[in-house]
Amino acid sequence: DAGVIQSPRHEVTEMGQEVTLRCKPISGHNSLFWYRQTMMRGLELLIYFNNNVPIDDSGMPEDRFSAKMPNASFSTLKIQPSEPRDSAVYFCASTLISGYNEQFFGPGTRLTVL
Amino acid sequence: RKEVEQDPGPFNVPEGATVAFNCTYSNSASQSFFWYRQDCRKEPKLLMSVYSSGNEDGRFTAQLNRASQYISLLIRDSKLSDSATYLCVVNNDMRFGAGTRLTVKP
Repeated sequence: DAGVIQSPRHEVTEMGQEVTLRCKPISGHNSLFWYRQTMMRGLELLIYFNNNVPIDDSGMPEDRFSAKMPNASFSTLKIQPSEPRDSAVYFCASTLISGYNEQFFGPGTRLTVL
Repeated sequence: RKEVEQDPGPFNVPEGATVAFNCTYSNSASQSFFWYRQDCRKEPKLLMSVYSSGNEDGRFTAQLNRASQYISLLIRDSKLSDSATYLCVVNNDMRFGAGTRLTVKP
């Protein structure tokens, strides 16, 4: 069975450009999470969804970031416009029930904003 | 105060050593706790859950202290392959600790 799938795996873009990261959670999982990881700040929770509904977006840095989950098998994280300080590894994770079960992580998207 | 805090590390230990990490949490209502392992340039993966009574998996032992609000991970007879970053997560908050880097040396 496929794990969490993320695309692209690497993204290099210029400041001001729009970036869209994609995630396909494990089939049957009801919760999906977006994290950002940097050396300075560690692994930060940006937003999570239960049954496709955003529950907590308090970790989203600012209005430049937005996330959607149009159906149970797909989610996007968009940054518009991107800035160099957005450079990080972005992980998507899914779990059966948030708050109780193991989270399964995707391989991450390494984003570099020049 | 951060919701989840870990020993800053790094920990550099010789093969065969015993090493322990702690992780404190602020939400006393937290119910589920996990330790994850993350290798360099890889995603975090579950190492073990932490049960109220404590649990062991081979060389690894996890414990929960509710009164003092911390969890611990003990690694016995450490191997070179144990070198990684160890992250704790308190699932009610779904926040990860910053991670503790372990390097096991020959």
